[in-house]
Amino acid sequence: DVKVTQSSRYLVKRTGEKVFLECVQDMDHENMFWYRQDPGLGLRLIYFSYDVKMKEKGDIPEGYSVSREKKERFSLILESASTNQTSMYLCASSREGWATYGYTFGSGTRLTVV
Amino acid sequence: SQQGEEDPQALSIQEGENATMNCSYKTSINNLQWYRQNSGRGLVHLILIRSNEREKHSGRLRVTLDTSKKSSSLLITASRAADTASYFCATVPRYGNKLVFGAGTILRVKS
Repeated sequence: DVKVTQSSRYLVKRTGEKVFLECVQDMDHENMFWYRQDPGLGLRLIYFSYDVKMKEKGDIPEGYSVSREKKERFSLILESASTNQTSMYLCASSREGWATYGYTFGSGTRLTVV
Repeated sequence: SQQGEEDPQALSIQEGENATMNCSYKTSINNLQWYRQNSGRGLVHLILIRSNEREKHSGRLRVTLDTSKKSSSLLITASRAADTASYFCATVPRYGNKLVFGAGTILRVKS
């Protein structure tokens, strides 16, 4: 069964900490995405990547960075966590071709910054 | 930015009834997709309809697309308690390269 795996379901971090959210897919997909989901705001795109070592900013990249050293892994980095980054983070992947195919999502990481 | 907006925001029905959710969007699109999200989990892709298609079926799901009205509807027939979830439409703008999600409809199916 193909899947996208996010390393943690729940995470609690302190303000100012550097936080790494890991995402791994086993479908050999070219595209990978990081979204955050907040009540009333829906899903907002943070960053995406269409190839190894390539990245593009989404709608809300401020306070985040990403890394894609291998095709199957896409990491989201919170350089200095803040309370307004408390959210549900969702990783997704898709085949090449811009959104021509459906996305496969991971189960999400609920991050709380205290 | 949200491209699609779902209506209603919440829907409560009895098991066995049909559920209809609507999605409106603002700009021309390449395709429109529907996703389901169970509470606290990731999204699951349900169906994709391309801009040159008008209707598509998958099991108990029926999706229609009206590009002249910039709207789509998702019909779930003979609903089950397990269909309780949030449902999102997402669009790919014609000159864009990103999937843009609406705020979702919360469906509750009572048994």
